[in-house]
Amino acid sequence: SAVISQKPSRDICQRGTSLTIQCQVDSQVTMMFWYRQQPGQSLTLIATANQGSEATYESGFVIDKFPISRPNLTFSTLTVSNMSPEDSSIYLCSVGIGLAGGETQYFGPGTRLLVL
Amino acid sequence: DAKTTQPTSMDCAEGRAANLPCNHSTISGNEYVYWYRQIHSQGPQYIIHGLKNNETNEMASLIITEDRKSSTLILPHATLRDTAVYYCIVRVRAAGNKLTFGGGTRVLVKP
Repeated sequence: SAVISQKPSRDICQRGTSLTIQCQVDSQVTMMFWYRQQPGQSLTLIATANQGSEATYESGFVIDKFPISRPNLTFSTLTVSNMSPEDSSIYLCSVGIGLAGGETQYFGPGTRLLVL
Repeated sequence: DAKTTQPTSMDCAEGRAANLPCNHSTISGNEYVYWYRQIHSQGPQYIIHGLKNNETNEMASLIITEDRKSSTLILPHATLRDTAVYYCIVRVRAAGNKLTFGGGTRVLVKP
């Protein structure tokens, strides 16, 4: 498994601003994933971040709104840009462990974002 | 990835076994069955996964039917801390392959 931390754990932001969420893992991993969980809903994948390449975004999510960095094998950031109240969600990162990242995903504790 | 069907909610008694069903009738031969749970306000926690054989670890047992169209997650002695939403997910085990979360089963363990 892996120990994953996220910063900040929660934040309250004003609309129109941006927030960068950090994800740190205690071991080197190839694949990192960013998910969103809107209030009362299940998790939805935003993008997959592979170190050394551009992130791959799911349908409905665009790089201008959710830019992702993956500078090394233990760290990634997700920025929520030009926020609106609809962006109020829990944002979670996860990492793939085993079988070149395809075995099992482990999740961080999440970042709870409220946009006013 | 194949779609799964789970009951929306279920209650179980503390100390008793909790049996959580999952239907995945369109599962492909190379898709694994994964179970995660999400305790309130926390990130999802991996529980167990399997392909066709039954699996057991320190948290739970996974029973997969011979035709692989359904499975059951068994929590052998449910505690109050097992109250959570449990997600059954089928997924090809490959690098970068995402987890597609459905609605899950909301399990309430009662004293």
